[in-house]
Amino acid sequence: QVQLQESGPGLVKPSQTLSLTCTVSGGSISSGSYYWSWIRQPAGKGLEWIGRIYTSGSTNYNPSLKSRVTISVDTSKNQFSLKLSSVTAADTAVYYCARDGTPGYWGQGTLVTVSS
Amino acid sequence: QPVLTQSSSASASLGSSVKLTCTLSSGHSSYIIAWHQQQPGKAPRYLMKLEGSGSYNKGSGVPDRFSGSSSGADRYLTISNLQSEDEADYYCETWDSNTWVFGGGTKLTVL
Repeated sequence: QVQLQESGPGLVKPSQTLSLTCTVSGGSISSGSYYWSWIRQPAGKGLEWIGRIYTSGSTNYNPSLKSRVTISVDTSKNQFSLKLSSVTAADTAVYYCARDGTPGYWGQGTLVTVSS
Repeated sequence: QPVLTQSSSASASLGSSVKLTCTLSSGHSSYIIAWHQQQPGKAPRYLMKLEGSGSYNKGSGVPDRFSGSSSGADRYLTISNLQSEDEADYYCETWDSNTWVFGGGTKLTVL
């Protein structure tokens, strides 16, 4: 059973860079043909896809966030990461990592608050 | 890119059945989608992958009460014998070569 766990600072100051890591257990991040994604959810709102990285390392990003997002993978640690630059209060949300496929898997989510 | 449309809310009585709809945008009616359940205060949970043919593959532990079907651009999630724990937000999701897309979600209330 694949499990995903997000980690990172819960509080980020405006204009700084948000950095999160997703640790994958129960399977190798470099095996199979899967997309590993970041999704976020502001309080009381729906899910917003941020971007994804393929097993090969290629990436796709939500056009509305593309200029500020970088997703990378560290296969030696079985992790993939999110960096979101120049954050504002509008980036406050619960951030989830997930894997596609049949079945798909979700992490438990981590709340990131942008505030001075 | 595809767009997914869901009703914002639905309600049904305990023990009854409900059918939630997710509609694919024009030109994308053949797309495969996935359904996810998000109970209050919890992370989303994968329910199933649903093809345009109506064939579906459920995740481990998803009760038999959950089933999927399709008609044209519409993808359905049917929940039978509704339980109180089925009260949740339900999201459909699809993808193409460049993006993942989520529907706006349907809030299901069990009366």
